[in-house]
Amino acid sequence: DIVMTQSPDSLAVSLGERATINCKSSLNLLDGSNNKHCLTWYQQKPGQPPKLLIYWGSTRAYGVSDRFSGSGSGTDFTLTISSLQAEDVAIYYCQQFYRAPFTFGGGTRVEI
Amino acid sequence: QVQLQESGPGLVKPSQTLSLTCSVSGASLNSGGFYWSWIRQHPLKGLEWIGHIYHTGNTYFNPSLKGRVTISLDTSKSQFSLKINSVTAADTALYYCARARKYPTGVDFDSWGQGTLVTVSP
Repeated sequence: DIVMTQSPDSLAVSLGERATINCKSSLNLLDGSNNKHCLTWYQQKPGQPPKLLIYWGSTRAYGVSDRFSGSGSGTDFTLTISSLQAEDVAIYYCQQFYRAPFTFGGGTRVEI
Repeated sequence: QVQLQESGPGLVKPSQTLSLTCSVSGASLNSGGFYWSWIRQHPLKGLEWIGHIYHTGNTYFNPSLKGRVTISLDTSKSQFSLKINSVTAADTALYYCARARKYPTGVDFDSWGQGTLVTVSP
């Protein structure tokens, strides 16, 4: 199975400051047919299911704030929240869709 | 907008079968382009993809469940179901149904139910 490792486990960021979450895959997630990376980011707020934020490593889902951006390549990926707002307090997960079984990172808790 | 809702017993005895149903509205289970999935969230182990079913009836499962899983589709009721047999305490989790978007290599999950907690205990 592809192992997804996130860091840090948690981070506290002041309102308006940048938050950076890392996700490392045990395998290169590049889809050679389209030169895109098979990685999705989710946000999970307390008591809610995960919400899809970013796919193909860097494409924002419809309606997602442009405060959220994804980057990275190969095995190393980053989710950045450019200016943290109170409503961004959540746990963030990465997930690979390069190969079954589709696996998730352990999550990063973002707090104020 | 697609909506999904899980239902089923919240308590299952060890060695018995866990059975859950997902009711879908706002989308047709007959249409291609999406898989209909089950995912669970363990308190300490995070998110785990269980498996999914396509409108053709084709199913795909996580090998970690060691053949204990069945997923079925009832398009007339707009529902799909999960069964896990021979459950143990390790199957205690929050279970989600979700719609999975189909990519050439795999899937991600763009719509989720609210989740239902299943506890395995005598």
